[in-house]
Amino acid sequence: ELKVEQNPLFLSMQEGKNYTIYCNYSTTSDRLYWYRQDPGKSLESLFVLLSNGAVKQEGRLMASLDTKARLSTLHITAAVHDLSATYFCAVPSGKLIFGQGTELSVKP
Amino acid sequence: DTGVSQNPRHKITKRGQNVTFRCDPISEHNRLYWYRQTLGQGPEFLTYFQNEAQLEKSRLLSDRFSAERPKGSFSTLEIQRTEQGDSAMYLCASRPLGTSGETYLRTDTQYFGPGTRLTVL
Repeated sequence: ELKVEQNPLFLSMQEGKNYTIYCNYSTTSDRLYWYRQDPGKSLESLFVLLSNGAVKQEGRLMASLDTKARLSTLHITAAVHDLSATYFCAVPSGKLIFGQGTELSVKP
Repeated sequence: DTGVSQNPRHKITKRGQNVTFRCDPISEHNRLYWYRQTLGQGPEFLTYFQNEAQLEKSRLLSDRFSAERPKGSFSTLEIQRTEQGDSAMYLCASRPLGTSGETYLRTDTQYFGPGTRLTVL
């Protein structure tokens, strides 16, 4: 059974700092998705990583995928308050299997 | 707006009542998914359709739950004899599916609707 684990589950950061969220998954997959969810809202697609070594960047967020290690990272550079949200990684298996989410809080 | 829409957005019901939710996917998206999300957790898969065919159902989908997509467009999710444990956000997502003869585009991102928040009293 495919399992997806994220860490940390909670992250409190100061504005301007850098940090990385990790996503590990238990079976082979050549794709991985990152989503953002604001409180009480639905999920917004951030990145689709389609192959080993894929790297995507959007603003202060950069995601990468290592299919051999079954690991994806979401790196936050110089965090700002607007990035406060919960971030999910998801691995496809017909449907999507989601991690538990990382609740990010960026404080001034 | 051409995104995924869901109705109602909020539903409060008493235990034992039946509820039905509707999802309208993005036009021409063949695949439609239902997920359930409880507080502090990631979405959990319930079921999905390719056109009007229901292709997979999760163990989470007890016999009180039924989903349909009669014409391959909108879908409904019904919960009979609701229980307090059914309280959750119910999310619908859709995605396109490449057909034979075309280059298979890896555009398999699932696009989520705003969700229906169910509270069972």
